[in-house]
Amino acid sequence: GENVEQHPSTLSVQEGDSAVIKCTYSDSASNYFPWYKQELGKRPQLIIDIRSNVGEKKDQRIAVTLNKTAKHFSLHITETQPEDSAVYFCAATEWTGNMLTFGGGTRLMVKP
Amino acid sequence: DAEITQSPRHKITETGRQVTLACHQTWNHNNMFWYRQDLGHGLRLIHYSYGVQDTNKGEVSDGYSVSRSNTEDLPLTLESAASSQTSVYFCASSDNPFPGPVGDTQYFGPGTRLTVL
Repeated sequence: GENVEQHPSTLSVQEGDSAVIKCTYSDSASNYFPWYKQELGKRPQLIIDIRSNVGEKKDQRIAVTLNKTAKHFSLHITETQPEDSAVYFCAATEWTGNMLTFGGGTRLMVKP
Repeated sequence: DAEITQSPRHKITETGRQVTLACHQTWNHNNMFWYRQDLGHGLRLIHYSYGVQDTNKGEVSDGYSVSRSNTEDLPLTLESAASSQTSVYFCASSDNPFPGPVGDTQYFGPGTRLTVL
C-alpha cells in the first residue's frame, strides 16, 4: 500500500517568513495530492491540491509543487501570518483515486 | 446547505460497552471514510465505503465495524470498547466514483471525541 512521509514534524517561523513542508510517497501510481490544514480542535480542511499531470499550483500565498520522478511534493507558504499556525497534513491517493494515505502532520507555529 | 455531520460530538463510555458513532452527509457522495486521530499518528483509516452495501477495512480496522445501508450514512461501531480506542474520530466523504481516474477532495465532519474509561 501507499506510504507517505512528512517533514518536518514541527516548524517555527517568524511572521512574514516563508514555510516549506515536504512529503514523499511510495506508490508511483498515486495521482492526487491534497494538503489539509487543521486548527486546534477543528476538522481538517483542504487548502490546496495537485494532480499528477501538473507540476505546480498556486493559490495566493500558498503553492504546491510535485516531482513525480522523485515521488515528492511540497507545500510552500509565503508571507506567513499568525493565523497560518496550525497542523498541516499532506496525503496521496492509491490507484483507484479514492483512498487517501496521510502523512504524520507538521505543526507550524508563526511567531508575531 | 449540504454538509457532513457527526454525532455525538463527545462520548464517554466504559470498557467493554458497544458504542456507535454516527456520520451523515447530505452531498449524496458515493464514498465515505472513517479515520481516527491520535497524537503522533496523524489520521489513520479505519473503514471505508464506495457505495451502498460496500464496506472495506482500512489500516486500523480491528475492533471496529461499519455498515452502509443508504448513501447518506456510515455508522461506526465499536463492538467492545477498549481504552486503546480513546481517540478523536473523523468521518469524511468524497464524490469520485470507484474506481476513479483521478483522486477527489475528501470533506471532513467535525469529529467525535471518544473516551473509554
